[in-house]
Amino acid sequence: NAGVTQTPKFQVLKTGQSMTLQCAQDMNHNSMYWYRQDPGMGLRLIYYSASEGTTDKGEVPNGYNVSRLNKREFSLRLESAAPSQTSVYFCASSARQGGNTEAFFGQGTRLTVV
Amino acid sequence: GDSVTQMEGPVTLSEEAFLTINCTYTATGYPSLFWYVQYPGEGLQLLLKATKADDKGSNKGFEATYRKETTSFHLEKGSVQVSDSAVYFCALSGSSGTYKYIFGTGTRLKVLA
Repeated sequence: NAGVTQTPKFQVLKTGQSMTLQCAQDMNHNSMYWYRQDPGMGLRLIYYSASEGTTDKGEVPNGYNVSRLNKREFSLRLESAAPSQTSVYFCASSARQGGNTEAFFGQGTRLTVV
Repeated sequence: GDSVTQMEGPVTLSEEAFLTINCTYTATGYPSLFWYVQYPGEGLQLLLKATKADDKGSNKGFEATYRKETTSFHLEKGSVQVSDSAVYFCALSGSSGTYKYIFGTGTRLKVLA
C-alpha cells in the first residue's frame, strides 16, 4: 500500500533556483494538503486543495504555488527559492476536507536552500 | 482563530513510566481531535482520534479523552517503552468555518532503557 508518495526525498537548491515537489496519493481521496515543518513551529499549512480543480492558500503561502493536476496529484512549486524556505515539506491527503476523517501523510521532502 | 497548544518538550522518561502529554485547543464549533506520532525520518502517522465530546480514542496503549469543558485532549500511556520515543503532535479539524488540520508544535518524547 503506497498511500501518499512524495518525490524527491532530499533536495539542495541554490538561492533563486526553482523546483517542483511532487505528491501523489492512491487512496481516491478528495482533499490534499502541503505543510512545512520547522523546529519549534510544528506543521504550518502552505496550500490545500479541497477537491480536484480547487486550491486555496493556507497559513504561509508566500513564495509557493500549487497545482492540483488531477485527483491523485498535487504539486508544490518554488519559483525562486530562498534560504527561509529550508524546511521539511509534507504532503497529506484526506477523504474529505477535514472533519472527522484523518489526514494521511507522505514521508516528507527535506529541502535545503543555500 | 483556531489553535492547538501542547506542552513543550523534550519529555524524558524511564521505561515503564507513566506518560502524560498535555494538549489544549481553541476552536469555534465542535472540532475533531487527533494525536499523530512522528518517528525519526518519517512522516506523521495517526495514533488516535476522537470526534465528539467525552469520546476516548485509544491505540497501542495510548489513550486520550475529548474534554469539551476544559478544551483538552491529553495523551496518556500507562507504561512507556523505548520504542515510543518519537515526536507527538496534537491536532484539530472540522471546527465550524474551517476544515483544515491545525497542529500543535509537537512534543518530543525520549524513553530511556
